[in-house]
Amino acid sequence: TQLLEQSPQFLSIQEGENLTVYCNSSSVFSSLQWYRQEPGEGPVLLVTVVTGGEVKKLKRLTFQFGDARKDSSLHITAAQPGDTGLYLCAGEGLTGGGNKLTFGTGTQLKVEL
Amino acid sequence: GAVVSQHPSRVICKSGTSVKIECRSLDFQATTMFWYRQFPKQSLMLMATSNEGSKATYEQGVEKDKFLINHASLTLSTLTVTSAHPEDSSFYICSARDRVFSYEQYFGPGTRLTVT
Repeated sequence: TQLLEQSPQFLSIQEGENLTVYCNSSSVFSSLQWYRQEPGEGPVLLVTVVTGGEVKKLKRLTFQFGDARKDSSLHITAAQPGDTGLYLCAGEGLTGGGNKLTFGTGTQLKVEL
Repeated sequence: GAVVSQHPSRVICKSGTSVKIECRSLDFQATTMFWYRQFPKQSLMLMATSNEGSKATYEQGVEKDKFLINHASLTLSTLTVTSAHPEDSSFYICSARDRVFSYEQYFGPGTRLTVT
């Protein structure tokens, strides 16, 4: 079973602060995705990283895929209240799992004024 | 593009009844759709993988006779919760994989099921 541990589990910060969310596993993934989910809604895809060491930027969000493709991080610069939500990483396995995604444990972010 | 819809968005049913949830890909074809379950403040747990024209593949611990999945076309998959019980109350989310961009899944808005 492939497990993805996210840390921290909960994060409450003030507007303007920076933060990093980590997604770690002992398994190698062919690709890794990050989602944000708001209460009562489905997850919304933020980014997909495929290559080990890859870095992608989406406005104030920076995503990195580990060199060994076992871990990833999400860094948010100058957080805003609109960034509040549940952040989920999800990895697609190399073999056996087919096209299935394994979701991380989730990080609940709250950004306050 | 890449819109996935679910119907209904909310449903309340009595114990012992069955409930059907639909998942549709609106602007793309999806050979594979996935059904997830999510408890409050928790992550998504994959229940089953649905392939068009074939039987669904269920994850370990998911009762296939209780959670019936049908994927009759490239744009529609249904999940039927049979003989529902209060412990089946949850947020059910589907996702669809685009045939072209095969490594991305697009998620529906979810269905809140409450069994009384």
